[in-house]
Amino acid sequence: KAGVTQTPRYLIKTRGQQVTLSCSPISGHRSVSWYQQTPGQGLQFLFEYFSETQRNKGNFPGRFSGRQFSNSRSEMNVSTLELGDSALYLCASSLREGGDTQYFGPGTRLTVL
Amino acid sequence: GNSVTQMEGPVTLSEEAFLTINCTYTATGYPSLFWYVQYPGEGLQLLLKATKADDKGSNKGFEATYRKETTSFHLEKGSVQVSDSAVYFCALSYGGSQGNLIFGKGTKLSVKP
Repeated sequence: KAGVTQTPRYLIKTRGQQVTLSCSPISGHRSVSWYQQTPGQGLQFLFEYFSETQRNKGNFPGRFSGRQFSNSRSEMNVSTLELGDSALYLCASSLREGGDTQYFGPGTRLTVL
Repeated sequence: GNSVTQMEGPVTLSEEAFLTINCTYTATGYPSLFWYVQYPGEGLQLLLKATKADDKGSNKGFEATYRKETTSFHLEKGSVQVSDSAVYFCALSYGGSQGNLIFGKGTKLSVKP
């Protein structure tokens, strides 16, 4: 069974731009969560989607948003990029909402210049 | 609030040495506890988990026991290999509507031949 895939793997943007990241969960998994990883703050939860609805949200500004499609694929969007948004963005999928075992993708490395 | 504290790294060991990485948590109720591992340039992989007090999670020679009385979930391995070099993250989750993982800062392990 294929794992969680994320595209693109690397991205370079400039301040003020917006970016969209994509995540395809493991087949059959209906929940997708997003995390931001930075050297300073570590791993922080962004949001979780299940059945196309946001079920849980971390403490991030409204510039960070996401959505989930009927096939469980998910996208996250960051608008008006800031230098501090440079990070590894990780997507994780699980079978059910708040499923206790989350499987992570390789991440998208975003660099904001 | 809920939090996870891990021992500071980096930890450097010789091959075949005994490994302990300390993890303590602050939480109300009974969260599930996890250890994830991140190899260079990759996403996170679930190493082991425990869902209730006194449970022992184990995988690939690694073990951790959920100790509610000391709020700890220390990771141990009897004989490390060079291939175990990675960053290890301790995490907790409540599942359901609070299914997001709360991570420690991570501990980098380097194993020398």
